[in-house]
Amino acid sequence: NAGVTQTPKFRVLKTGQSMTLLCAQDMNHEYMYWYRQDPGMGLRLIHYSVGEGTTAKGEVPDGYNVSRLKKQNFLLGLESAAPSQTSVYFCASNRPSNTGELFFGEGSRLTVL
Amino acid sequence: LAKTTQPISMDSYEGQEVNITCSHNNIATNDYITWYQQFPSQGPRFIIQGYKTKVTNEVASLFIPADRKSSTLSLPRVSLSDTAVYYCLVGPIYGGSQGNLIFGKGTKLSVKP
Repeated sequence: NAGVTQTPKFRVLKTGQSMTLLCAQDMNHEYMYWYRQDPGMGLRLIHYSVGEGTTAKGEVPDGYNVSRLKKQNFLLGLESAAPSQTSVYFCASNRPSNTGELFFGEGSRLTVL
Repeated sequence: LAKTTQPISMDSYEGQEVNITCSHNNIATNDYITWYQQFPSQGPRFIIQGYKTKVTNEVASLFIPADRKSSTLSLPRVSLSDTAVYYCLVGPIYGGSQGNLIFGKGTKLSVKP
């Protein structure tokens, strides 16, 4: 089983460039999330979605946009990348029956120069 | 939101029992406690979840006192492969606001030979 798959795994951007991170899950989960992880900061929630066509802001949403056009996919976009967005990004998904059990992808390491 | 507080780091030796405590003073009635394990360059992985008293599975035990203001993850007879960061997550698991799935900064466990 693939579980949660993130692409790309690594990316280097210049300040001001845009990009999209793709998250795909094959577990038919309703809920999906994007987190960022920085040294000493743990995991911080950027945006989340409770179903196809819905999105909501998390702790640190500024500078990011998301879309959930299909149930299995959750896209994270950076319209104008900044060095402060250098981080490791994790996508996760779960079921409404137990939202405490999150299934994470392997992460996408983004560097903004 | 139920904020969590954990020790930043802990050291142990192979074969010892390790107890990691998480403080969550403002836990809500419908909140559960979930623990995750994260290895370098990987996404966090679900370990164990509980509401009160004691829960045990093949990997760990979780102790939750009656007031539920703290919880302790117990890892029996740790090995080098248990070296990882451990996160405590507190929040509702049945419906509710998924924006409440906020992680703390985690505890970095180092197991030495």
